[in-house]
Amino acid sequence: DIQMTQSPSSLSASVGDRVTITCRASQSSSIYLNWYQQKPGKAPNLLIYGASNLQSGVPSRFSGSGSGTDFTLTISSLQPEDFATYYCQQTYTTPWTFGQGTRVEIK
Amino acid sequence: QVRLQESGPGLVKPSETLSLTCAVSGYSISSGSYWGWIRQPPGKGLEWIGTIYHSGSTYFNPSLKSRVTISVDTSKNQFSLNLRSVTAADTAVYYCARVFTVRTYGGQLYYFDYWGQGTLVTVSS
Repeated sequence: DIQMTQSPSSLSASVGDRVTITCRASQSSSIYLNWYQQKPGKAPNLLIYGASNLQSGVPSRFSGSGSGTDFTLTISSLQPEDFATYYCQQTYTTPWTFGQGTRVEIK
Repeated sequence: QVRLQESGPGLVKPSETLSLTCAVSGYSISSGSYWGWIRQPPGKGLEWIGTIYHSGSTYFNPSLKSRVTISVDTSKNQFSLNLRSVTAADTAVYYCARVFTVRTYGGQLYYFDYWGQGTLVTVSS
């Protein structure tokens, strides 16, 4: 199985901050890497697919980059509605696996 | 607008079978997509359970494969999950989702683009 490790596990940030979350795969996942946002009590919401493609309807302050084993999700200017937990997911091989999540909290 | 809605018992006894159905609206299952189940134990992360193609081909997480069945009913536009011999470790919120695919130079990219709201299933006597 490909293990996905996110860092940090949690972070505190202020509105307007630039935030970067890292996801590292235990073996190459090519570009088959997706990012989701989950708010408490809600289903995850797709943000980025294929490492760098913005899902329709997602604000442009979200961006993704990387390939192979190292990927990043960047929020260019954190907004109040962005406080949530973020998950990466690889779909390069089965079993599809998720990172453990990064919780973004208000400073 | 594609919508998915999970349904099924919220409480299952240990050793019994967990059965959930996902009703799809706004999109025909027989149009050719993949469909999946994901679960999330309380306070924990996400775990992929398995995926089914509209034709019935299935792919499972090896950690659950011996206990899982996923089926599709195109006439009702829904798909289902059965998880046998459950224990307390199977207590989780269960989500159904559509799997969108994009053909790339290296193969196919898969991602969950529409999700149900999730349903909490508790395993307890």
